[in-house]
Amino acid sequence: NAGVTQTPKFQVLKTGQSMTLQCAQDMNHEYMSWYRQDPGMGLRLIHYSVGAGITDQGEVPNGYNVSRSTTEDFPLRLLSAAPSQTSVYFCASNLRTGYTEAFFGQGTRLTVV
Amino acid sequence: KQEVTQIPAALSVPEGENLVLNCSFTDSAIYNLQWFRQDPGKGLTSLLLIQSSQREQTSGRLNASLDKSSGRSTLYIAASQPGDSATYLCAIDNFNKFYFGSGTKLNVKP
Repeated sequence: NAGVTQTPKFQVLKTGQSMTLQCAQDMNHEYMSWYRQDPGMGLRLIHYSVGAGITDQGEVPNGYNVSRSTTEDFPLRLLSAAPSQTSVYFCASNLRTGYTEAFFGQGTRLTVV
Repeated sequence: KQEVTQIPAALSVPEGENLVLNCSFTDSAIYNLQWFRQDPGKGLTSLLLIQSSQREQTSGRLNASLDKSSGRSTLYIAASQPGDSATYLCAIDNFNKFYFGSGTKLNVKP
């Protein structure tokens, strides 16, 4: 049971480039979400999904797109990377929010130069 | 918007001490509260989940309490060990939106 898998672990982008952070879970969880973690600020919710085909914005959605075509995968797209998007990104999944614990991936450290 | 605050930001204690980490939140309309542990360069691991209708949860040496009316939760760690050294975060589940505190960095000295 792999849990939540994020790829890549590290990435350096140039300003203006686009890329997709991958997230996959093999626990058949309904809920998946993306966070960014910046020093001294804790984790902030970017986007979340309550099931395939359903996504919604979190606290800091600007500059990011998501889609959820399958239960297992929830990719995060950076459309035009900016230095302000330098951060550590975490994906999480939850069988059912409100009742069960969340499982986190190991994170992707992104640097935009 | 839910605001979550954790005090203290950092804590250093000798091995064997009992300690309390604090988490406060501004909106009492919550589904649940979770406490997580984060090791350097790693993801988060869930320690305890307290439903909004519950007052406390226990797992081994860990005990978490929840007082919704005052917007507070505490994580009690008994007989601390060097292996407990990590950052501890609390998170509020506000109906599909999670709000995290900035964490308490704990160092347990041998």
